Order: sequence, then C-alpha cells, then structure tokens
Amino acid sequence: DAKTTQPPSMDCAEGRAANLPCNHSTISGNEYVYWYRQIHSQGPQYIIHGLKNNETNEMASLIITEDRKSSTLILPHATLRDTAVYYCIGKSSYKLIFGSGTRLLVRP
Amino acid sequence: SAVISQKPSRDICQRGTSLTIQCQVDSQVTMMFWYRQQPGQSLTLIATANQGSEATYESGFVIDKFPISRPNLTFSTLTVSNMSPEDSSIYLCSVAQGSFTEAFFGQGTRLTVV
Repeated sequence: DAKTTQPPSMDCAEGRAANLPCNHSTISGNEYVYWYRQIHSQGPQYIIHGLKNNETNEMASLIITEDRKSSTLILPHATLRDTAVYYCIGKSSYKLIFGSGTRLLVRP
Repeated sequence: SAVISQKPSRDICQRGTSLTIQCQVDSQVTMMFWYRQQPGQSLTLIATANQGSEATYESGFVIDKFPISRPNLTFSTLTVSNMSPEDSSIYLCSVAQGSFTEAFFGQGTRLTVV
C-alpha cells in the first residue's frame, strides 16, 4: 500500500469549502485512494474512494491528479460537525493501513 | 452497512492481568480486523481475524500478547494479555466484505492499565 503524506492540521470557516490535500507519489496503478474520517471518540467513517477519475458523493468530492501522485478531498460546505481527523489511504490489498491524517477544525 | 457492537466500551485494568474484548456484527462478514489507537495517535492494524484459522498478525504484534478468536462470520474476540500501562489504548474492531469498498468500525474499547 502506498505511503501517503498529509498536512497535520488545517482549518476552515463554517460554510466554506474545505480542501484537504494528500500526496501519494508512490501509488501503484492498481491502488485506490480512500478517504476516511474519525470524529472525536468514534470509529473511522468511510467518505469516498477513487482510482483515476474524480468522484463525488453526498459527503464529498475527490479530485485525483492525472499522474495520480496526489489528490484533494473537498467538503463543499463545511459544518462544525465536519471537525475530525481525515485519513487518506492508498489501498491495494485487503486491509486499510492508516497514516497520520489531517486534523480539520471548522471554525464558526 | 454493518452495525458493530464492542464490549466492554471501556475498562480499567491492573497490570499483569488480561482483558478480552468482544466484537459482534449484525450480519455475516468475510473480513474482520483489530486495530489499536494509542492516545493522540492514528490507528495501527494489529491483525486480521480469520474464521476457522489463526489470525494474521502485522509486524510488531504477536499471538501470545494479542490472541484472537473468530469462531464464526459475525463474532471475534481480542485478548490483551499480561497488560502493562503501555497497552493503554483504544482497541477497535472493523469489518468488511471481500476486497471491500467500505469498512465499518466499532466505537472502540477504551482500555486503561494501571
């Protein structure tokens, strides 16, 4: 599984878009990029995943660069409840290996 | 989706003792995993619980310290043996189907060893 690099912390204003970057320069062709988040005192929660194309669901959008060396998770209208640690994971095998993640603080 | 129940939700234990954590899922799942989350840290995979055979442990984790059982497709236990204060962590159960798109996590067991 690819090693991922994320900024340790970020913040954004409530109602604005939160853009969380992830570097995965060693990702291989068959590895998907997954995003999970962990709200305080809860287990991680799946957000979205993608391989090559950009993806969107009801929670977020995932933008993957053409060379697949980096990606950005976009929360289009962040709310206070989006305050959490966000994990970017390169997954090719049957298991999830978590990196250190980005602690996102959404400010009122 | 899958609903996971972990017991106990928290415990305070004496050093040198053992604690068994239970993970019950509301549906049959192919994959079950155990993670550890030390204070202020990310999640670390301990092992994959295999039904009917020995668990597959990640580097740095051994069966003698973290014995795991998985008697069927809905239940698994993790035992933390001969505990020391360094074992104080949150232990999480996770489940998924096959090569899976989405993994589900329990709320975790918060263990404090004194």
